[in-house]
Amino acid sequence: NFMLTQPHSVSESPGKTVTISCTGSSGSIASNYVQWYQQRPGSAPTTVIYEDNQRPSGVPDRFSGSIDSSSNSASLTISGLKTEDEADYYCQSYDSSKRGVFGGGTKLTVL
Amino acid sequence: QVQLVQSGAEVKKPGASVKVSCKASGYTFTSYDINWVRQATGQGLEWMGWMNPNSGNTGYAQKFQGRVTMTRNTSISTAYMELSSLRSEDTAVYYCARVPHHYFDYWGQGTLVTVSS
Repeated sequence: NFMLTQPHSVSESPGKTVTISCTGSSGSIASNYVQWYQQRPGSAPTTVIYEDNQRPSGVPDRFSGSIDSSSNSASLTISGLKTEDEADYYCQSYDSSKRGVFGGGTKLTVL
Repeated sequence: QVQLVQSGAEVKKPGASVKVSCKASGYTFTSYDINWVRQATGQGLEWMGWMNPNSGNTGYAQKFQGRVTMTRNTSISTAYMELSSLRSEDTAVYYCARVPHHYFDYWGQGTLVTVSS
């Protein structure tokens, strides 16, 4: 089964840049688009990146996404960290049968 | 504005079934797939399946095959997710989400399903 693996947690200071990785277990992560969702406690997730590197309207350009085929991974980079960015972040893609797959989630602490 | 409004919290006994509804407004219901995702307390997101409201076609995660059924009523722009043979591990918040192409752009508010004897 295709899986996406994320670090359990990351932390960084306000104003700094943090990168969250998402590694595919098999095949090429570039075969299907990768999305990133932000989830704050008690709320539904919201999209911060779709189709590998696209930002929905309203998401600041401090958020960016990329794909690295050599490491079969996707990355979410948040620059100029703000305390409001503190949340759980999930990557999401599809397996070869077009079934959805989520990463385990990464807790971002801004301290 | 696009909204997905889900039904209220449910408490079920082990072995029972639950049916969660997701009423769409602000767009043409039959134009976009609806996916269902669940999240146990303190855990990550888990994809359950998709449904095309226009055709009624569905696709389910292997884990839920045989236990989950996704349907819709286009006359009232509502999608449904029914999960049967409930067990304690099914206690979670269940979300519906609209999927225009590859990503979940609008989510319902979530429905807490508690399975307890």
